[in-house]
Amino acid sequence: SQKIEQNSEALNIQEGKTATLTCNYTNYSPAYLQWYRQDPGRGPVFLLLIRENEKEKRKERLKVTFDTTLKQSLFHITASQPADSATYLCAFQSRAGNMLTFGGGTRLMVKP
Amino acid sequence: GAVVSQHPSWVICKSGTSVKIECRSLDFQATTMFWYRQFPKQSLMLMATSNEGSKATYEQGVEKDKFLINHASLTLSTLTVTSAHPEDSSFYICSARISGRATYEQYFGPGTRLTVT
Repeated sequence: SQKIEQNSEALNIQEGKTATLTCNYTNYSPAYLQWYRQDPGRGPVFLLLIRENEKEKRKERLKVTFDTTLKQSLFHITASQPADSATYLCAFQSRAGNMLTFGGGTRLMVKP
Repeated sequence: GAVVSQHPSWVICKSGTSVKIECRSLDFQATTMFWYRQFPKQSLMLMATSNEGSKATYEQGVEKDKFLINHASLTLSTLTVTSAHPEDSSFYICSARISGRATYEQYFGPGTRLTVT
């Protein structure tokens, strides 16, 4: 069956460091991969979208990579700040459908 | 841009009553909207896809007669939880795609916390 895995354990890093979050998938061939941020009690906020034929996408301090051979996406936040503390969700979408399938999310804690 | 609102933000109701949740795209048109539910410390689970002017498509295991979805306009979708029970207590979140856009990112509402007593 299709599976999308994110590290369920919280990632704790020091302010100013680069945070790297991982999203792995099996039995799936996504056409698009998206990353969202979710704060407690709030809806997710769209951050970045990367297509299957793209290796890397950047937006300000954010960088996403997509390796279809490894079946993995990495999400990086450089020069992290306490305000970056949140849960980050990866989501996949196939070519055919509208729907997104979400990973379980990884909670990031940036300490000052 | 791409703001989605939900109303109410939280609601408490008694078992057996029905609750309606509204999802609006404020500054764009949305042919397609989605309804999710999320339990504490879990990820989002898609309940149904709502298409303007047609019937919603429900995910496996979601009772369409219990979770009524109406997408009457390009900016409004509603979810009605009928005959609510305590096990329906959850965080309900809607999202919308911008009509006519080639990419597929979704814009989420702030969520509605439903508590059934």
